Amino acid sequence: DSGVTQTPKHLITATGQRVTLRCSPRSGDLSVYWYQQSLDQGLQFLIQYYNGEERAKGNILERFSAQQFPDLHSELNLSSLELGDSALYFCASSVEGRGGLSPLHFGNGTRLTVT
Amino acid sequence: AQKVTQAQTEISVVEKEDVTLDCVYETRDTTYYLFWYKQPPSGELVFLIRRNSFDEQNEISGRYSWNFQKSTSSFNFTITASQVVDSAVYFCALSEARIQGAQKLVFGQGTRLTINP
Repeated sequence: DSGVTQTPKHLITATGQRVTLRCSPRSGDLSVYWYQQSLDQGLQFLIQYYNGEERAKGNILERFSAQQFPDLHSELNLSSLELGDSALYFCASSVEGRGGLSPLHFGNGTRLTVT
Repeated sequence: AQKVTQAQTEISVVEKEDVTLDCVYETRDTTYYLFWYKQPPSGELVFLIRRNSFDEQNEISGRYSWNFQKSTSSFNFTITASQVVDSAVYFCALSEARIQGAQKLVFGQGTRLTINP
């Protein structure tokens, strides 16, 4: 168990809808990351938050947004959903230290199916 | 631009065989980090190892070993005496350390390893 909690595990919704994915990082971790895993694109970095602030951005669509709250949990909001958004969405967290980049610890993912 | 290539899409071996998963990376930075992650059939991503660009020492952890060679931009992973429980998709990943604490992992496409009894 990585200590990163993601809810829900599965989500089925229709095109055009909006969903929110939730992530609780490991205790003590200040950074939260979102990744998308799809068959055609593989694992793609979406966005990173550190202690409530956006730290790095990847290939995140404008229809997607994220935030990290004062209690450090994070939410990924996906709107105007399209069939191609169907994927496994991972949240990860890490602790920042002086020794270089810390490894990411991933949650079990939320499987989103858009019909 | 960063890139990670795992040329082996699928590997299938019989239990107890040794198997090596290849990883070749591209980066312009002198400071970077390499990782291996395992994704078992249950779907989660499990961290295996991190290596920074200044540490070319090979590492061994039980049946797992990693060979990092900057000269060939490779970071290969070997499983000795494979077991059925090693069956998973293995990902190699690269991160450049451009901004303090910012981390964008670039993943390879993964190698699906099947260990047959």
